Amino acid sequence: GQQVMQIPQYQHVQEGEDFTTYCNSSTTLSNIQWYKQRPGGHPVFLIQLVKSGEVKKQKRLTFQFGEAKKNSSLHITATQTTDVGTYFCAGPRNAGGTSYGKLTFGQGTILTVHP
Amino acid sequence: DVKVTQSSRYLVKRTGEKVFLECVQDMDHENMFWYRQDPGLGLRLIYFSYDVKMKEKGDIPEGYSVSREKKERFSLILESASTNQTSMYLCASSWRGTKNIQYFGAGTRLSVL
Repeated sequence: GQQVMQIPQYQHVQEGEDFTTYCNSSTTLSNIQWYKQRPGGHPVFLIQLVKSGEVKKQKRLTFQFGEAKKNSSLHITATQTTDVGTYFCAGPRNAGGTSYGKLTFGQGTILTVHP
Repeated sequence: DVKVTQSSRYLVKRTGEKVFLECVQDMDHENMFWYRQDPGLGLRLIYFSYDVKMKEKGDIPEGYSVSREKKERFSLILESASTNQTSMYLCASSWRGTKNIQYFGAGTRLSVL
């Protein structure tokens, strides 16, 4: 079945350093979504990318969708302690009909930021 | 703001008990989901519902059942709780469409002793 792999699993950075997490799907995706889960919290939607090669920015966060629509990345410039948490990518599951709406989540990248 | 409310934040049950986890959303979403989250395993889909009384098994349905009698409410049932069902349970909802963003509840941390 469809697999969505995320690397690295853990990333420890000093405050001010950059951070990148990568997401790779075994199948072509119609779109990719990114979520953030703060420690003790629940996943919260960050962004959705739809077009091949799309790049979107949210302040210090830059999201990219690969040309082949099978991979994506999230880059944080100059991390802050507020960036701590787990970042998940997710892609729609293959299959139409009633399966429409289900997502396959990557395992997540846990980011810790040392002040 | 979308609100997805899970009935309990923490729950402690004994092995063999029947456990009900409730989830209510206020956005008239067609889709509702139950996930469990374990360290290193990410979010694993237990069950999915795309309409009232309609359900689909997810990746790990064994030992669980669900009920969706009203559009806004999706219940997860552990028929006979076991220790390996100790986990964080997350409910989510979404529209049925291309912008199928999922909105999550705060989660229920279930401990089965």
